[in-house]
Amino acid sequence: SQQGEEDPQALSIQEGENATMNCSYKTSINNLQWYRQNSGRGLVHLILIRSNEREKHSGRLRVTLDTSKKSSSLLITASRAADTASYFCATTKKGGGSRLTFGEGTQLTVNP
Amino acid sequence: NAGVTQTPKFQVLKTGQSMTLQCAQDMNHNSMYWYRQDPGMGLRLIYYSASEGTTDKGEVPNGYNVSRLNKREFSLRLESAAPSQTSVYFCASSEDLDSQETQYFGPGTRLLVL
Repeated sequence: SQQGEEDPQALSIQEGENATMNCSYKTSINNLQWYRQNSGRGLVHLILIRSNEREKHSGRLRVTLDTSKKSSSLLITASRAADTASYFCATTKKGGGSRLTFGEGTQLTVNP
Repeated sequence: NAGVTQTPKFQVLKTGQSMTLQCAQDMNHNSMYWYRQDPGMGLRLIYYSASEGTTDKGEVPNGYNVSRLNKREFSLRLESAAPSQTSVYFCASSEDLDSQETQYFGPGTRLLVL
């Protein structure tokens, strides 16, 4: 079964707006990563947050992690049409090394 | 650097046929992985190789075999394809299994089993 569940499954916004995607997971983790997948392409790593971190920024991306609630959120600020893609969270479990368990993803559409 | 490459890009098989999906990485990574992605779902781990000479089952290994040919190459074989194996297959690599760092993905192989 999938470790992560993402919410919402689909999100449609206008260019310039912010997009927030949420991810929940079930077991203790070492880190949580967010990946992006453009239609018909492979996954590209966006950002990694470790279990002892609460917030991380990278450009227009902001990730938060709440280990007490076993949840994370990805915020994309000032979205662009080029941000249209599927976004997946993935976790590494304690004792699981680099093996990733993926959520089902959020399909983000940014309308120009 | 090409990163992670996969061949073929697309394949159609009949039920019962066999085929091998090829994957290679040029980043000198120790660990490699095979995932499948079904429509509307995240990726599920089929097999992985922590280092050259070792392979282990992931979440959904049934119907597949793998070979870690050398440090660069990790192949996935379907001995007798079934329609349930219609999917997009992604290969990935990382520095090593214990680093818990990011994985780098190939562009995927789309497989249709009729």
